[in-house]
Amino acid sequence: SQQGEEDPQALSIQEGENATMNCSYKTSINNLQWYRQNSGRGLVHLILIRSNEREKHSGRLRVTLDTSKKSSSLLITASRAADTASYFCATDGGGTDKLIFGTGTRLQVFP
Amino acid sequence: ETGVTQTPRHLVMGMTNKKSLKCEQHLGHNAMYWYKQSAKKPLELMFVYNFKEQTENNSVPSRFSPECPNSSHLFLHLHTLQPEDSALYLCASSQGEGTSTDTQYFGPGTRLTVL
Repeated sequence: SQQGEEDPQALSIQEGENATMNCSYKTSINNLQWYRQNSGRGLVHLILIRSNEREKHSGRLRVTLDTSKKSSSLLITASRAADTASYFCATDGGGTDKLIFGTGTRLQVFP
Repeated sequence: ETGVTQTPRHLVMGMTNKKSLKCEQHLGHNAMYWYKQSAKKPLELMFVYNFKEQTENNSVPSRFSPECPNSSHLFLHLHTLQPEDSALYLCASSQGEGTSTDTQYFGPGTRLTVL
């Protein structure tokens, strides 16, 4: 069953702009993770945020979590062409302790 | 590189063939996973192994048969597949017990085409 759903499905921006992606989920969670996938490659872990945390930073990445709205956002500041990839949120919950991935947001950053 | 390798990277097979996908992790992790990624669909968890024991089988058809001889190696044996099984098959590993708090490290995937 799908737990996380990303929005928008696709996003195109210019280098230097900020990119914001959102993830909504259905049931309560213990943690939420964000991953990046370059075209045709494996996923790379970006950040994990626990249900008792509201915000985490890692370099140019900022993740927020609002458990009351069952949503999370990933902000990439000062984007670069190398940030072009698909971004996935993954959560537990919904009766499983395994990660369930969403369908992803495809980000295109134009130089 | 993430420390997780997969072979082959590309595979084309007929519906009557038998083939195997191989995954190896060089990270000393305990848990290993198989995922299926099809176009426009969420990543689907297929199997989870923790210390060589299968802890999750996500209602996967029996034409997919996993094997985990040790914590570093994971295989996916394929037989009598269907064209709808064409997808990118991803292997991952993690330090923990295969639960949602683990950070997973993914291999590059095997692009499978079933004719």
